[in-house]
Amino acid sequence: EAQVTQNPRYLITVTGKKLTVTCSQNMNHEYMSWYRQDPGLGLRQIYYSMNVEVTDKGDVPEGYKVSRKEKRNFPLILESPSPNQTSLYFCASSLEWGLAGGPPDTQYFGPGTRLTVL
Amino acid sequence: KNEVEQSPQNLTAQEGEFITINCSYSVGISALHWLQQHPGGGIVSLFMLSSGKKKHGRLIATINIQEKHSSLHITASHPRDSAVYICAAHSFGNEKLTFGTGTRLTIIP
Repeated sequence: EAQVTQNPRYLITVTGKKLTVTCSQNMNHEYMSWYRQDPGLGLRQIYYSMNVEVTDKGDVPEGYKVSRKEKRNFPLILESPSPNQTSLYFCASSLEWGLAGGPPDTQYFGPGTRLTVL
Repeated sequence: KNEVEQSPQNLTAQEGEFITINCSYSVGISALHWLQQHPGGGIVSLFMLSSGKKKHGRLIATINIQEKHSSLHITASHPRDSAVYICAAHSFGNEKLTFGTGTRLTIIP
């Protein structure tokens, strides 16, 4: 089954304790991205990756790191989490950027990771 | 002012009604996405538009590039259409995605 998986689905942690949220897709997609969703603010892009070893900042990258060492995985790393990073996080993937240079048609979203930082 | 704005924020309608959700954006875009988020939180991509109109079942999405406006229409609405609908814009020149804050749709039987 084609899917994007995230782990863990729920996490409660404390300020300053490094954590990693994993994201994996089995569709051979080139483009992967991380978003956070907060009440009243909607979804905001954290980081995205056009391909292996190619990553770039979205609108809210502060406090986050990513890596794309292989096509299927795109982990989100919080080196020193703070309470303002309490949020619902989504990973998504898409086929490579459009053949005509335009964006890909469909983004496939993971189920979300609800993170609470105390 | 957000780069992507949706209206209305909340919409309640009777089953069978024709629904319209609007999305306006202030930046040049290469494409616009419509997403659906169910009460359980899962997000599904409905459409990606760069021009004109797309239709899938009872859902129709249109975009007017000159007016920087897109609409999502639902015909013969059903309670299972109750969800949050989100538009998102790909800006020209980069691959970033900027989201509207969503429209919460409730269809009453």
